[in-house]
Order: sequence, then structure tokens, then C-alpha cells
Amino acid sequence: DAGVTQSPTHLIKTRGQQVTLRCSPKSGHDTVSWYQQALGQGPQFIFQYYEEEERQRGNFPDRFSGHQFPNYSSELNVNALLLGDSALYLCASSFGGLSTNEKLFFGSGTQLSVL
Amino acid sequence: AQKITQTQPGMFVQEKEAVTLDCTYDTSDPSYGLFWYKQPSSGEMIFLIYQGSYDQQNATEGRYSLNFQKARKSANLVISASQLGDSAMYFCAMRGVSGGYNKLIFGAGTRLAVHP
Repeated sequence: DAGVTQSPTHLIKTRGQQVTLRCSPKSGHDTVSWYQQALGQGPQFIFQYYEEEERQRGNFPDRFSGHQFPNYSSELNVNALLLGDSALYLCASSFGGLSTNEKLFFGSGTQLSVL
Repeated sequence: AQKITQTQPGMFVQEKEAVTLDCTYDTSDPSYGLFWYKQPSSGEMIFLIYQGSYDQQNATEGRYSLNFQKARKSANLVISASQLGDSAMYFCAMRGVSGGYNKLIFGAGTRLAVHP
């Protein structure tokens, strides 16, 4: 049973460029969330996708956008990269329902470096 | 607003001893959930334990237990019989209705080092 998989594992970009990160959820999961983890900090919620729609968004600018495909996989796009976008980007999957005890399964992340 | 505070940037413990990692939270939600995750150097966040705000008993999962003190708004993680493989970052997180059930709010984490 494959867990959450993310690609690529590492990425180096320059300021102003655009980047796309990819995530495949754990088998049986239909909900994908994206988190940004800056060095030395806890993860911060970017947005969540369910049924191919953005269900909730955190405090991130419109440069951050996403997509969910019919097979539940997801992409995170960041436009006009800034140095401050350098971080570990984590994808988490879960099964649909909205409840306090819903457990998230995380991938190993994509380390993005913006030069 | 919801907030998680982890006041210990780093902790170390001798192998086979127990260690407590502190977590305090702030929320006005009547119903919420508290989580602990482990993040080894590989980057993956690994779920350890969950405590619901209405749970009467403290949660336990193998060597992990959660010391839940609702009135003090604390949810400390206790790791018994520490192993070398427990060396990692540990994050406390919460979910509640005011934050949207869809997202976890994380603390800044505690780095645990287990010494032989």
C-alpha cells in the first residue's frame, strides 16, 4: 500500500520563475492538503482540495495555486517565485470527512530552493 | 484564533529513559483535536497520537502517551523507554471548527536527541 508520494524531492529555481510540485495521495484517500514548512518552523497550511475544488485556503497570496485531478492527485503551482518561498513543501492526504480526529498522512516533501 | 506553543526548542534524553515534550494550546472552540507528529530528517511527518477534547482518558499509543490537562490547555507528549530512533523533530498540532476542520495548526516543534 503506497503512502503519499511527492515529486520532485528537490528543486532549485531562480526568482521570478514558476514551479509545479506534484502529489499522489495514499490509496483510498480523496483529499489533499498542502503545507509550507520554512526552515526551523512548523508547517503552515496553504490549501486543501476535495472533489477537484479548493475547499479551504490559508493565508497565502494568489501566487500559490493548485489543482486536483479526477484520480485525486494534486499539483501545487507557485508563480513569480520569491526568495522567501524557499521551504519544504509537504503534501498530506486524508479521506474526505470533516472531523476533529481525521488523521493526515504526509509525504516526504519537496525541498524548494529559490536563488 | 487558534495557537500552539512549544516552548522547548531542543531536548535530550538518555536511551531507555522517559521524556516529556511540552505543548500548550489556545482555542475558544468547544470541540477540538490535538495531534503529535514526528518528523525525522527524511522530512516525512509521522502521526504519533491523537487526543479529542471530550475524551475522558489520556490517549496512549505504544510507548507514546499524551498528558492532557484541559483546564491548563496543555497536551504534553510522553515518550517512555526512549530509543535512538526517536531522535527527530516533534510537532504538536490542533484542529477545530474556528480554524476550519480542514487544516492543522502546528507549533514550532521540539528537536529531541536521544543519547546512548
